[in-house]
Amino acid sequence: QVQVVQSGAEVKKPGSSVKVSCEASGGTFKSYDISWVRQAPGQGLEWMGGFVPIVGSANYARKFQGRVTITTDESTSTAYMELRSLRSEDTAVYYCASANIPAAGGALDIWGQGTPVTVSS
Amino acid sequence: ETVLTQSPGTLSLSPGERATLSCRASQSVSSKFLAWYQHKPGQPPRLLIYGTSTRATGIPDRFSGSGSGTDFTLTISRLEPEDFAVYYCQYLGPFGRGTKVEIK
Repeated sequence: QVQVVQSGAEVKKPGSSVKVSCEASGGTFKSYDISWVRQAPGQGLEWMGGFVPIVGSANYARKFQGRVTITTDESTSTAYMELRSLRSEDTAVYYCASANIPAAGGALDIWGQGTPVTVSS
Repeated sequence: ETVLTQSPGTLSLSPGERATLSCRASQSVSSKFLAWYQHKPGQPPRLLIYGTSTRATGIPDRFSGSGSGTDFTLTISRLEPEDFAVYYCQYLGPFGRGTKVEIK
């Protein structure tokens, strides 16, 4: 059973960048399995980007296009999410999630523990 | 991009009662890609249902999903204390805004 472990909490200044990692253990995941989701304080889940089955490739939510990059290193089973030009509204818990169930339409069945990111001057 | 509208925003119920949560899509969607998640504070979300109606591994059978086209439903037949949480539907990435199921 694949488990994913994310990197630790980050505190960043406005205008800077953050790069969060997500490493699989107990198995491997492919680049096409991973999505990134965040939850700001008091808000709901927000999908940032990831693999979209019907598109057949990685995709980004319109809100984050140009500001986020999702990459994977399959040799180390590690995925990364980099968010640039940070602002206070980016303060959130960031989750990576993996779709491992065959023919499940990309449903995210394995989740990391979450990485808190605080953006503050 | 398909927008998912969940209702109600909050559902106040007692343990043992039935919960019916709605997820409406802004356009007709493929039921293959509609999923439901449960989220509790301090924990990562948990996949409950995928493909509109298939329970994920380990999910009790009191959880069921149904629907097609633009209208989808998550039903919890008899609420257990551990079921009080926020529930989200998802379609090809984006989530709805969630329904909070709280103890009445």
